[in-house]
Amino acid sequence: KAGVTQTPRYLIKTRGQQVTLSCSPISGHRSVSWYQQTPGQGLQFLFEYFSETQRNKGNFPGRFSGRQFSNSRSEMNVSTLELGDSALYLCASSLDSHTGELFFGEGSRLTVL
Amino acid sequence: DAKTTQPTSMDCAEGRAANLPCNHSTISGNEYVYWYRQIHSQGPQYIIHGLKNNETNEMASLIITEDRKSSTLILPHATLRDTAVYYCIVRVMKTSYDKVIFGPGTSLSVIP
Repeated sequence: KAGVTQTPRYLIKTRGQQVTLSCSPISGHRSVSWYQQTPGQGLQFLFEYFSETQRNKGNFPGRFSGRQFSNSRSEMNVSTLELGDSALYLCASSLDSHTGELFFGEGSRLTVL
Repeated sequence: DAKTTQPTSMDCAEGRAANLPCNHSTISGNEYVYWYRQIHSQGPQYIIHGLKNNETNEMASLIITEDRKSSTLILPHATLRDTAVYYCIVRVMKTSYDKVIFGPGTSLSVIP
């Protein structure tokens, strides 16, 4: 079956703009989580959604937001982009069982100029 | 939530077993230990997970100490393709939320 799909794979924005990233989970997976990866901070948890509800959020400013649709697809949005937002944004899905592993997409690489 | 500590980097000779340690001294009873690896510029890949018993699959073995404060990932016969960053993760799974805290990771270099 198809894996986790993230779009776009690469994008370039300028400071002050906003960006929307999309994630399509594996069919049947209801939990979607987002991570930011930078060379300096490593992999950091952004937020997790289940059945269109945000269940948990990491320590990121309010400029970072997300949502999940009824088909479990998820989007994240970053407004008023800053240079430090340049990163690889990873999405992962899981079955939400108590032992379910996370399946990661290949990520969306955002560059802010 | 428990945190993990791992060595920053390790080397392993090709064909030998790679033993990657992880400390999670504040782990609680309902937290699982997961291992993932990330090859450069790709998304992390699931390797194995466990709660309290040792586990083995086609990729690796996971040894968890009896007190659950540490674990070791074993790649029995390392190949060059195993060169990657390995993340030891303590995963909190409760009915109200699912949160993953990534450790710093160990950069494993498999040497010919």
